Amino acid sequence: GAVVSQHPSWVICKSGTSVKIECRSLDFQATTMFWYRQFPKQSLMLMATSNEGSKATYEQGVEKDKFLINHASLTLSTLTVTSAHPEDSSFYICSVNGRGTSGRAKLREQYFGPGTRLTVT
Amino acid sequence: DAKTTQPPSMDCAEGRAANLPCNHSTISGNEYVYWYRQIHSQGPQYIIHGLKNNETNEMASLIITEDRKSSTLILPHATLRDTAVYYCIVRVPYGSSNTGKLIFGQGTTLQVKP
Repeated sequence: GAVVSQHPSWVICKSGTSVKIECRSLDFQATTMFWYRQFPKQSLMLMATSNEGSKATYEQGVEKDKFLINHASLTLSTLTVTSAHPEDSSFYICSVNGRGTSGRAKLREQYFGPGTRLTVT
Repeated sequence: DAKTTQPPSMDCAEGRAANLPCNHSTISGNEYVYWYRQIHSQGPQYIIHGLKNNETNEMASLIITEDRKSSTLILPHATLRDTAVYYCIVRVPYGSSNTGKLIFGQGTTLQVKP
């Protein structure tokens, strides 16, 4: 399948600091990317839809001022957790819609990154 | 997006077929059935999807009932590496009028045993 990368794969930060997580689509362009959060033993929860060149669309209950999303190019979206607290510790995963044009991306499939483990101390 | 209902857990013997059911009684006519799986501490992996016909690929088969209210994912010869959480999701695919976002339920934890 198509390759989606995330960086870093894990990060530990102190309470009150901000952390940026990158999501890259490595072999095709993506106008839309998604950010999910997953707590231990729970399912993935969609946080927001990242749109290239425009503002992200946040799901109900997700604080847009706390989780800043920037989709600066067709291959990169970033999620910044601002003023992180221990309760923000989670597994953050991004995904990308396939475009079915070139490379290994197939239309109608969605490809996920490997995830970023955030621990706030 | 329509909701799906899956059993919380299932066991399967290694080498045997694993049949994972999913109910989606409120599915709309333009919604597809997708299956993903998530191995511990990894991002979800696409398995298969279908609209109304049965589908098969190198990983699995998808059987959709004629009324489309339920489906079954079949792993023909389960291995220990197939131990994962399996998610059944119904969604309108990505297109000009929708983002194609995926809403995950609780999924089925499949434990393949030696």
